Amino acid sequence: NAGVTQTPKFQVLKTGQSMTLQCAQDMNHNSMYWYRQDPGMGLRLIYYSASEGTTDKGEVPNGYNVSRLNKREFSLRLESAAPSQTSVYFCASSEGPHRANYGYTFGSGTRLTVV
Amino acid sequence: DAKTTQPNSMESNEEEPVHLPCNHSTISGTDYIHWYRQLPSQGPEYVIHGLTSNVNNRMASLAIAEDRKSSTLILHRATLRDAAVYYCILGLNSGYALNFGKGTSLLVTP
Repeated sequence: NAGVTQTPKFQVLKTGQSMTLQCAQDMNHNSMYWYRQDPGMGLRLIYYSASEGTTDKGEVPNGYNVSRLNKREFSLRLESAAPSQTSVYFCASSEGPHRANYGYTFGSGTRLTVV
Repeated sequence: DAKTTQPNSMESNEEEPVHLPCNHSTISGTDYIHWYRQLPSQGPEYVIHGLTSNVNNRMASLAIAEDRKSSTLILHRATLRDAAVYYCILGLNSGYALNFGKGTSLLVTP
């Protein structure tokens, strides 16, 4: 009963380096999401994938790209990391959109520091 | 868009009931009321949701005002493990985004 699995759990990057955050869910959910959380703040949506084969921008997409590899997996890529991207990143999944009354399941997060 | 208002923080004693309020005076008739919580160093966790009627599950109860302009999350017997930030979120017609505000930080003391 894994739910949503994120890797890695911790990462330190130098400014300008690139990396991909991985996310996989085993609940056969249609929709997947990437959020970031900065200290003392709520979560903000970066990108989401309503269904396999589609991706859309959220509130804070600049500096990120995403890939919905298949129904299970949704990755987030930082092409050229900046200190402003230091944050905790959460992946989530749901059967469908929030407005339609589906609950979201979140992963445990990736703590990223860019120096 | 309809918004929610929650107290920044609340404190409770262990094994006592906790009532966490949420105001949403501009809620529309089709907006569901969702509650999530975030334990320290963890991702958010679904707690409960409802539309008009009060709801109960193994974690909590949700009491919704008759005019739906406010709701209350009730933890019947707080434990130390319930110390978390609790978010009241509306199921907005804006689509996919879960709009997290600052939530209420609940402190539970022995």
